[in-house]
Amino acid sequence: DTAVSQTPKYLVTQMGNDKSIKCEQNLGHDTMYWYKQDSKKFLKIMFSYNNKELIINETVPNRFSPKSPDKAHLNLHINSLELGDSAVYFCASIGGFYNEQFFGPGTRLTVL
Amino acid sequence: AQSVSQHNHHVILSEAASLELGCNYSYGGTVNLFWYVQYPGQHLQLLLKYFSGDPLVKGIKGFEAEFIKSKFSFNLRKPSVQWSDTAEYFCAVTPISSGSARQLTFGSGTQLTVLP
Repeated sequence: DTAVSQTPKYLVTQMGNDKSIKCEQNLGHDTMYWYKQDSKKFLKIMFSYNNKELIINETVPNRFSPKSPDKAHLNLHINSLELGDSAVYFCASIGGFYNEQFFGPGTRLTVL
Repeated sequence: AQSVSQHNHHVILSEAASLELGCNYSYGGTVNLFWYVQYPGQHLQLLLKYFSGDPLVKGIKGFEAEFIKSKFSFNLRKPSVQWSDTAEYFCAVTPISSGSARQLTFGSGTQLTVLP
């Protein structure tokens, strides 16, 4: 069974559009994250949610809005997409004492 | 805030060569340390992790890493690489502290290319 899943895997869209990426984890973890990996493979945290509450919000434009309907889901909605938003977005979850994060397969977003 | 440095951006080796990738972190307190691997077009997979105890940790696929606290280092090693080890390798750290953030901070990654 997939521990952390994301949909869609690929997303190609025009500038100015609004799009969403969904993430679900079946590990029973309380904390979930969104990371952005740019074209140089650099990984940077965007958001962290714990039990549906936002606990980390890095300097991300407010066009990005995470939504956590329950602790197993953390979706990412992006308004007014820009060329610079093109990247791979990874969802992750963490649980237990040992702080091991489990990553989803990633969503490759291409903005034309 | 913590930070992680990976000084080798791209390493090219021939098969059967030995590998060592450097990782240094800066943080004043206790940390958990990780190495992740990302094969081309794939997601991040955990190679190994250090939480406490023996500073030499063994991971999957013959990889190991040694935590040297005095040097704030957690270098990744493999005695003999294979072509299939070609991938991007990320070192990461998370502080052991109160609170629920448990934020992972990644290094910039090292691209390993193994020539057949």
